[in-house]
Amino acid sequence: GAVVSQHPSWVICKSGTSVKIECRSLDFQATTMFWYRQFPKQSLMLMATSNEGSKATYEQGVEKDKFLINHASLTLSTLTVTSAHPEDSSFYICSASGRAYNEQFFGPGTRLTVL
Amino acid sequence: GENVEQHPSTLSVQEGDSAVIKCTYSDSASNYFPWYKQELGKRPQLIIDIRSNVGEKKDQRIAVTLNKTAKHFSLHITETQPEDSAVYFCAASAGLDKVIFGPGTSLSVIP
Repeated sequence: GAVVSQHPSWVICKSGTSVKIECRSLDFQATTMFWYRQFPKQSLMLMATSNEGSKATYEQGVEKDKFLINHASLTLSTLTVTSAHPEDSSFYICSASGRAYNEQFFGPGTRLTVL
Repeated sequence: GENVEQHPSTLSVQEGDSAVIKCTYSDSASNYFPWYKQELGKRPQLIIDIRSNVGEKKDQRIAVTLNKTAKHFSLHITETQPEDSAVYFCAASAGLDKVIFGPGTSLSVIP
């Protein structure tokens, strides 16, 4: 199967700072990447869909200026949480799909804690 | 947009018994229905999926059924084992489009 990595696996930051999370497809070209957020004991909530070379499509209620998504290549998408606040603390998971596969492959997730 | 509901939210079964989780979806355009198992702090793992042109699919102890008319699909786990304990999510998608997750079912298998 395809492999998706995320970096960092966990991060702690101060309130007001920005944090960048990387999502990489290691052995396939990901034409589409998805970003999810998961609060404790809750489901995965889709935040946005990003297609390589175009602007991300955000789900209703997700602030695009706060959660900046860049999908600059077929193997890398980044999520930047700007001016992070404690309520942004969550588990952020990316997934990727490509022409070669009919399913999405998930990264291992990034645990963000904002103090 | 798509809305996926899932029941029950928690489920406890004795080891060896069967577990059934049921989901409904709202968007008739959805044609791909994956099921994921997630252990605490880890990524969701695809355990089985079904497409809209199939009514049932089985993989060893796991089976999934789909009723497209009623927009229902279900996960069946037979001969449950303690290592089956986890949170299970159903999901719906229109092909390679975004996957919308149900709220999850916390399954506990009691030895």
